Amino acid sequence: QKEVEQDPGPLSVPEGAIVSLNCTYSNSAFQYFMWYRQYSRKGPELLMYTYSSGNKEDGRFTAQVDKSSKYISLFIRDSQPSDSATYLCAMSAPGSARQLTFGSGTQLTVLP
Amino acid sequence: GAVVSQHPSWVICKSGTSVKIECRSLDFQATTMFWYRQFPKQSLMLMATSNEGSKATYEQGVEKDKFLINHASLTLSTLTVTSAHPEDSSFYICSARARGGGNIQYFGAGTRLSVL
Repeated sequence: QKEVEQDPGPLSVPEGAIVSLNCTYSNSAFQYFMWYRQYSRKGPELLMYTYSSGNKEDGRFTAQVDKSSKYISLFIRDSQPSDSATYLCAMSAPGSARQLTFGSGTQLTVLP
Repeated sequence: GAVVSQHPSWVICKSGTSVKIECRSLDFQATTMFWYRQFPKQSLMLMATSNEGSKATYEQGVEKDKFLINHASLTLSTLTVTSAHPEDSSFYICSARARGGGNIQYFGAGTRLSVL
């Protein structure tokens, strides 16, 4: 079993839809949770960063962390074609040499 | 802020030659830098972790003599692929963690290496 599980998709939605991306994890020591967006042939770009449980909102993006269920989500409202990319969840534990454990990524396509 | 510059973005080389990839943190001091390799449609695979002024720590299965990492300053790390072969062709990405920046890593744009 992988430490972090993420549905690889692909996921296709019409423009304007609400997108829900999710990851589950098994390591209860994880406390730092990130979502990255990666366009084809580019490096990952940090979208959201959350420490421990709770919600965080930034524009059209909302990140949720439920540590009791070991489940994190990223919601994208009013999705745009420019949101088409691969979304990677990443997480780490304190004292883990600050290394990140990544999900496999979900490929999202927003259709105009 | 938190910009990481990686060069070159694409390099083609002949088998047997060495290639150097640079990773710079432009607006912050990076106490730790990471080097990843990514195959098509797969997630990032950590190759090594480097702290400024000390030797890099390589992940299991990564040849340290093949992939030389130097982190000479707080803003620059380099990865040299020595005696490259076609199987080394891949997408290499660096990331940097800022001093006092928690566990957040900021990524470069990546380098596509094609070995002929």
